[in-house]
Amino acid sequence: AQKVTQAQTEISVVEKEDVTLDCVYETRDTTYYLFWYKQPPSGELVFLIRRNSFDEQNEISGRYSWNFQKSTSSFNFTITASQVVDSAVYFCALSEQTGANSKLTFGKGITLSVRP
Amino acid sequence: AAGVIQSPRHLIKEKRETATLKCYPIPRHDTVYWYQQGPGQDPQFLISFYEKMQSDKGSIPDRFSAQQFSDYHSELNMSSLELGDSALYFCASSRLGGNTGELFFGEGSRLTVL
Repeated sequence: AQKVTQAQTEISVVEKEDVTLDCVYETRDTTYYLFWYKQPPSGELVFLIRRNSFDEQNEISGRYSWNFQKSTSSFNFTITASQVVDSAVYFCALSEQTGANSKLTFGKGITLSVRP
Repeated sequence: AAGVIQSPRHLIKEKRETATLKCYPIPRHDTVYWYQQGPGQDPQFLISFYEKMQSDKGSIPDRFSAQQFSDYHSELNMSSLELGDSALYFCASSRLGGNTGELFFGEGSRLTVL
């Protein structure tokens, strides 16, 4: 069975600090996708990134960067120079490709608070 | 670009009533997923449909049922509502059964049971 662990539950930082959100996953599949979603107080799930299991390249998008390491089954997310608008709950999720189905298993989420 | 449309966005019901949520996937998407997110919880998979057939089932109560219609929209029917059914319900869609790894979420329908 697949599992996603986000050990950090709440993180509080001051604006302009860098912050890393950890994600560790478990799967027996060789083909899978990893995701990060942001959920602001308004409730919608905002897609941030999708990474497939064959692509271990790190990715940077503006202030966001992701570090995917298959050797440690981790997919960590770093926000550089955090801003108040980054305050939200962040979910890491795993999708296994099992036939005609790619349901997501979410981690418990990390509540990030960025103080001015 | 068209996104996943969910309606209604907000719904208030009394205990023991029935509620129906609707989901309109992105055009040409053949797969629909339903998730339930309770307060302070992570989204939990309920059920999915591929080409109008149920493809997988998660932690969906027996009081809930769902289907995907010929136009690929889906409806989640919830009967004998309980206080614990108060949650944000997300619909997501994908194409090719989700094998592309792309999954698009709607903005959610917030159900409050009083």
